Amino acid sequence: ETGVTQTPRHLVMGMTNKKSLKCEQHLGHNAMYWYKQSAKKPLELMFVYNFKEQTENNSVPSRFSPECPNSSHLFLHLHTLQPEDSALYLCASSQVGGARYNEQFFGPGTRLTVL
Amino acid sequence: AQTVTQSQPEMSVQEAETVTLSCTYDTSESDYYLFWYKQPPSRQMILVIRQEAYKQQNATENRFSVNFQKAAKSFSLKISDSQLGDAAMYFCASLFNSGGSNYKLTFGKGTLLTVNP
Repeated sequence: ETGVTQTPRHLVMGMTNKKSLKCEQHLGHNAMYWYKQSAKKPLELMFVYNFKEQTENNSVPSRFSPECPNSSHLFLHLHTLQPEDSALYLCASSQVGGARYNEQFFGPGTRLTVL
Repeated sequence: AQTVTQSQPEMSVQEAETVTLSCTYDTSESDYYLFWYKQPPSRQMILVIRQEAYKQQNATENRFSVNFQKAAKSFSLKISDSQLGDAAMYFCASLFNSGGSNYKLTFGKGTLLTVNP
């Protein structure tokens, strides 16, 4: 595997289900991100992890719970979601630190549908 | 707060022709970066081109170039010799350092580019 991978690619869940999205980066980066992409809206940054520590929570509801066990893996645990949470969830990674910013590399996304 | 505006929800271009996608941004930061990302129908977002705000020279990557007007806060993308594979959603994004090693990327709503054969 190369780059940033995400599983599953598609997920349908009921409002009472608990599920998790997984992201893995194979680039040796030290920062990982969760974004939400809804139709006709800009990508919304949800969470940022630098060196496994959460450094940004962009006012995300508690029904979304991120977990970053190491710098290569990032999870998004989902619980009692609402239909309006249906969206494409993108994971990204980058190398931070030093004087120069390095680009974010994105995964293919998980298409989530909440019934 | 930073904002990014893409005023063209959709654009179309004939194959081999040139098209320009518009982007304006607003920031109070003096040090920031600007990007154009491409998201083809397969959904993998990839970086097309980047521009450091402190650089006056416009960035160029093969058929892709930008027109960076810092005073006007404008950052347009020009695609020359358009190819069918250029068809995608294009996102303009700005990034600034929000403290320490924290960087925050703000995206526009995107422009859907169609390339006609």
